[in-house]
Amino acid sequence: GQNIDQPTEMTATEGAIVQINCTYQTSGFNGLFWYQQHAGEAPTFLSYNVLDGLEEKGRFSSFLSRSKGYSYLLLKELQMKDSASYLCAVRADTGGFKTIFGAGTRLFVKA
Amino acid sequence: NAGVMQNPRHLVRRRGQEARLRCSPMKGHSHVYWYRQLPEEGLKFMVYLQKENIIDESGMPKERFSAEFPKEGPSILRIQQVVRGDSAAYFCASSPYSLAGLAKNIQYFGAGTRLSVL
Repeated sequence: GQNIDQPTEMTATEGAIVQINCTYQTSGFNGLFWYQQHAGEAPTFLSYNVLDGLEEKGRFSSFLSRSKGYSYLLLKELQMKDSASYLCAVRADTGGFKTIFGAGTRLFVKA
Repeated sequence: NAGVMQNPRHLVRRRGQEARLRCSPMKGHSHVYWYRQLPEEGLKFMVYLQKENIIDESGMPKERFSAEFPKEGPSILRIQQVVRGDSAAYFCASSPYSLAGLAKNIQYFGAGTRLSVL
């Protein structure tokens, strides 16, 4: 079956660093995505990993280990506006575009 | 360049009525995906379409649900004889077609339609 696990909620302090973990078990693997979703809004693309290692983009970084079925999203210098849900998603079908989403991690940033 | 447009943003239907949800992809995008999101849950894949073709509908319920993406006009997700369990947020996403970036193909999401069935 297809399964993506991530913590339900996390709380962190403004200015700090937070790491959101994601583990996956899928029938295939053709890339892992992270999206940010504010309440009542559309998910917006943050990062994409298909090879092992770290991808850095400003305050956000994403890491992938395919052998462990593991990824994390690292957010640095947290700001209040970073309070949102973070969705881990795996493209599991090498022949198509089917993407499996995790339930999301709600991040609360406090002052 | 306008993003993915969904309408209506909110839709209220009584049990047994039909719901029609519309999605206009980003300009130049030929792939459309529909997802359903229940409160506190992740996005559940429903269907993937290209112009005039359904490519993958493995996430669609077998009855009452249908989707189309005609040559002209928006993609439509149609729910017939709605029931209370259909109440959810329905998101549409689009992506371009690019052989070079086939695997990466990023999906851009609309703001969603929130369906409430009374």
